[in-house]
Amino acid sequence: DVKVTQSSRYLVKRTGEKVFLECVQDMDHENMFWYRQDPGLGLRLIYFSYDVKMKEKGDIPEGYSVSREKKERFSLILESASTNQTSMYLCASASGSSYNEQFFGPGTRLTVL
Amino acid sequence: AQKITQTQPGMFVQEKEAVTLDCTYDTSDPSYGLFWYKQPSSGEMIFLIYQGSYDQQNATEGRYSLNFQKARKSANLVISASQLGDSAMYFCAMREPLRGSARQLTFGSGTQLTVLP
Repeated sequence: DVKVTQSSRYLVKRTGEKVFLECVQDMDHENMFWYRQDPGLGLRLIYFSYDVKMKEKGDIPEGYSVSREKKERFSLILESASTNQTSMYLCASASGSSYNEQFFGPGTRLTVL
Repeated sequence: AQKITQTQPGMFVQEKEAVTLDCTYDTSDPSYGLFWYKQPSSGEMIFLIYQGSYDQQNATEGRYSLNFQKARKSANLVISASQLGDSAMYFCAMREPLRGSARQLTFGSGTQLTVLP
């Protein structure tokens, strides 16, 4: 069974803290994605990676960075958390096939106080 | 400009009845894909159904079917014989090219479906 896991389901941090969100997939997928989900806005792409050490900005990269040192792991970093980064964060992975169905992790609900 | 539009923030349906969730899209790329995902209150995104732009027939997957009207740029999800477990947020998404083999999914704002007993 395919699996995408995220390090935390719930996280509470203070303004200014550095935050790491980890995502691991066991499907040997080339592509991995980080989205944030806010009510009324759907899911918005923050960053994606199409190969190890390769990363590209999505639609809303400001305030975030990412790291992909190994194929199975994609990390989202908030260098200095702010209250407007309170959100649900979803990680996804997809193979390089033309179908490109994305498999999602369970999400991390981050609250920045 | 919004690429995926879901005009129904909330919908109610009686158990065992059918329901249609609307989705319209905008793209100039002749090759694209349309997805529907379900998100229960637990938060995980569950893939339901896929329609490719060149597919001749409407996609079906069990109780889910996709009413694909290419000229109207609509891709409505039809759920037949609704069950209480269908209560969830439903997202329509469109696949667009990114880089390498990556394809971005652009999501609509979602429709919250509530199935009434």
